[in-house]
Order: sequence, then C-alpha cells, then structure tokens
Amino acid sequence: DIQMTQSPSSLSASVGDRVTITCRASQTITRHLSWYQQKPGKVPSLLIYATSTLQSGVPSRFSGSGSGTDFTLTISSVQPEDFATYYCQQSSSFPWTFGPGTRVEFK
Amino acid sequence: QVTLKESGPVLVKPTQTLTLTCPVSVISLSNARMGVSWIRQPPGKALEWLAHIFSGGETSYSTSLKNRLTISKDTSRGHVVLTMTNMGPADTATYFCVRVDVDSRLVTFKRVHYNYMNVWDKGIMVIVSS
Repeated sequence: DIQMTQSPSSLSASVGDRVTITCRASQTITRHLSWYQQKPGKVPSLLIYATSTLQSGVPSRFSGSGSGTDFTLTISSVQPEDFATYYCQQSSSFPWTFGPGTRVEFK
Repeated sequence: QVTLKESGPVLVKPTQTLTLTCPVSVISLSNARMGVSWIRQPPGKALEWLAHIFSGGETSYSTSLKNRLTISKDTSRGHVVLTMTNMGPADTATYFCVRVDVDSRLVTFKRVHYNYMNVWDKGIMVIVSS
C-alpha cells in the first residue's frame, strides 16, 4: 500500500497568513493527488484534484503543486472560513489512501 | 447537483454484519471510469478509504479490511451496497459514500485518468456496541 504522510499535523495561523501543507507519498504517484477540506462536524469537500486542478467554486487562494512523491497545498491568504482539517489522498493505485490530516487553527 | 442521501445513526452489535446502501445510481454514471467509494471516519480521527466500485463493476478494497468487505451494485435499483462482516467496536465511525469522478487527459501522448472524490454524502454514524 502507498502510505501518505502530511506535515505539519497542525498549525496556527492568523487571517491573511500564507499557509503551506506538505504531503508525501511512500512511492511515486505521479500527479494522482487530491486535497480535501473538512470543517468540524461537516462532510469533507473536494478542493483540488490531479495535484493542481482547482475544483469548481473553490477560491483561487488555494493552490496545489508537486509531482512524484512530494506535494504541497498552499493557501495564499488564509481566511476565517479556511480554518479546518486538510487531507491529501492518492488515487494512483489501489488501495487508495489518505494522509492523516493537517489541522489549521486560528492563532 | 447530485446528492447522496443516507440516514442514521445505526446501532450494530459486535459480530453482526453491517449493510449500507448508497443511493447513487452507478448504472447512470456516464463514464466507465467513474464510480463510488466508501470512506469512514472514527470519531476525532482521520479519513479511511474502504472500497470502490467502478460503474463497469470492477471493485477494489482496503488491504486491512478486504476479508470483511463486499461492495456491489444492486442492479434492480442501481444502488451501491457495502457489506462489512464481524463488526467490532473499532468499526464505530461515520461512513460516507462518495461519487468518484474522472478527468481524462492526454499527457505526453498518453491518456491519463485522474479519479477524484467529488460528491460526498452526509454520512451515517455507525455505533458498534452490545
């Protein structure tokens, strides 16, 4: 199975900060990586797929990059509604796997 | 917009079999590379992918749970059904079914298919307790 790790596991940020979350795969997944946002008590929602394609309706302050085994999710200027947990997920090969999540908290 | 509807919570006794239905119509999915996945999330913990079925019927399972899981299509109603046997307290979680879409692209003269979990249902809380 492909193992996914994320760093940091949590971070504190202020509104307007630039936030970067890293996701690493245990083997190459080319660009088969998606990012999901989950707010407390809510259903996860798709942010980005194929590493860098923004899902329709997702604000442009979100961006994704990477290839192979190393990927990043960046929020260029974090807004109050962005405080949530973020998960990466690989769909390169079955079984699909999620990262453990990164919690973005208000400083 | 497609909404995947479920209800709950569900109380299951240890050793029982859990059966969950996702009302998305797999038959109506327009692309053979689209499908439905099941994901679960124990309280306060991370997401865990469980199983997937493509609209053509091909299935895949979590390595650690594959001996207990069956994902299938209810052809008469077009629903996706997940069965998990021998339930235990560690299976207490919210279970989500998700419509998985595909974006097919030409990448250096080769067609590449990117699957992504696009439409999430509201989830059903399953509690395993005697």
